Formats: sequence, structure tokens, C-alpha cells
Amino acid sequence: DTGVSQNPRHKITKRGQNVTFRCDPISEHNRLYWYRQTLGQGPEFLTYFQNEAQLEKSRLLSDRFSAERPKGSFSTLEIQRTEQGDSAMYLCASSSDSSSYNSPLHFGNGTRLTVT
Amino acid sequence: GQNIDQPTEMTATEGAIVQINCTYQTSGFNGLFWYQQHAGEAPTFLSYNVLDGLEEKGRFSSFLSRSKGYSYLLLKELQMKDSASYLCAAPNRDDKIIFGKGTRLHILP
Repeated sequence: DTGVSQNPRHKITKRGQNVTFRCDPISEHNRLYWYRQTLGQGPEFLTYFQNEAQLEKSRLLSDRFSAERPKGSFSTLEIQRTEQGDSAMYLCASSSDSSSYNSPLHFGNGTRLTVT
Repeated sequence: GQNIDQPTEMTATEGAIVQINCTYQTSGFNGLFWYQQHAGEAPTFLSYNVLDGLEEKGRFSSFLSRSKGYSYLLLKELQMKDSASYLCAAPNRDDKIIFGKGTRLHILP
């Protein structure tokens, strides 16, 4: 078990460009979550998956954001036509089927996006 | 909907005790988590409460009152390394997990 892996660790892009992030969860975990975090704030929920099914997408997200988990393993988060306000840390986390003491969220180290 | 409130910042002295409060509203209670996050790092799991009462784990304890929608994290014998943000998080019945804004704890020598 190597934990949750996110790539890249850092991404600098120009406004208007598209970016894609990847998350590899812990292998036996069915649940996968994406959060966005800015300085001094808690993680903000973006979306989550049960296996390959996307269960909910935050209403805060515009149509520029899309996430997939095609085979129920790794996931990608794409941001189209990036804006400076998209600059943040994007965190991925995974867990087993249901929340419990034995199944907390395990977070990756995040992808820090800077839009110039 | 879901809403989680916790203080923005707290300061305490090394060796002392500090209590970080959290109030929550969820659609279908499914337990409450506390996470610790050091600056520049990912959150790490501290505790999970699903029943009322106090859960003790070493220097850290977490309390839950479901009727009041209230929880607290108690840190004893504070050490400098405890300087971090402490995040309260609540899953709803569908396991959508929402976090509070976090409480930044500053430890003074």
C-alpha cells in the first residue's frame, strides 16, 4: 500500500489553458473524493465517486470542471479555460465503502495549481 | 444541507490543554471526523465519533453530542509540533464528506 498518489505535484499554467490532474487511490478503496483548498481554508468538496460512478458534483463548480474515474481505479480532474481564481491546492482522497473509524479518508499530497 | 462551524484561530501554551469546538448540521448524521493538517501537508486522520461521549486516544480526545450537533477536540500536554490546523468533518448519509474551514492552532513556548 503506497497511499494515495497525485500527479503532478505542481502545475503552473496560463489563463485560458486546460489542465488535467491525476489521482491514484489506495487500491482496495471504492470511494474517491476531490477537494479544493485555498490558503487558510478547509478542503472544499468538489465531487466524489463510488467505483466508476460519480455520485455528486458540487454546485459551486462551473461546467469548466469535469472529473472521471473510468475503470473505478484512478481518477482525473480536468479544468478547462483556467482562470486565476482556479489557483488552489487540489486534494484527492480515498476510503472504503462507508465512513467509519476503520475507513477514514486518506489524502494524497495534492496538486498545487497556479494560474498566471 | 450541511454546515460546519469552528473557530478560525486559537492560541495556547506548550504543556497546556486546549479545546477546539465544532458545531455541525448534516442531512443524515453519519459520524464526525477530526483531521490534523500541518502547513503545506495533506490532512491526516485523528478521530471519528459516531456515538455520544468521549473517545480518548493518547493526548487527543474527541467528544460528540448528537442532540446538540456539537463536538470538540481536546489536546492535552501541548507540544510545539501540535501547531497545525484542525479540521472538523461530517459525512452525510451518502458519505459526502464536508469539512469545516479549520481552526489554526498556535502553540507558544
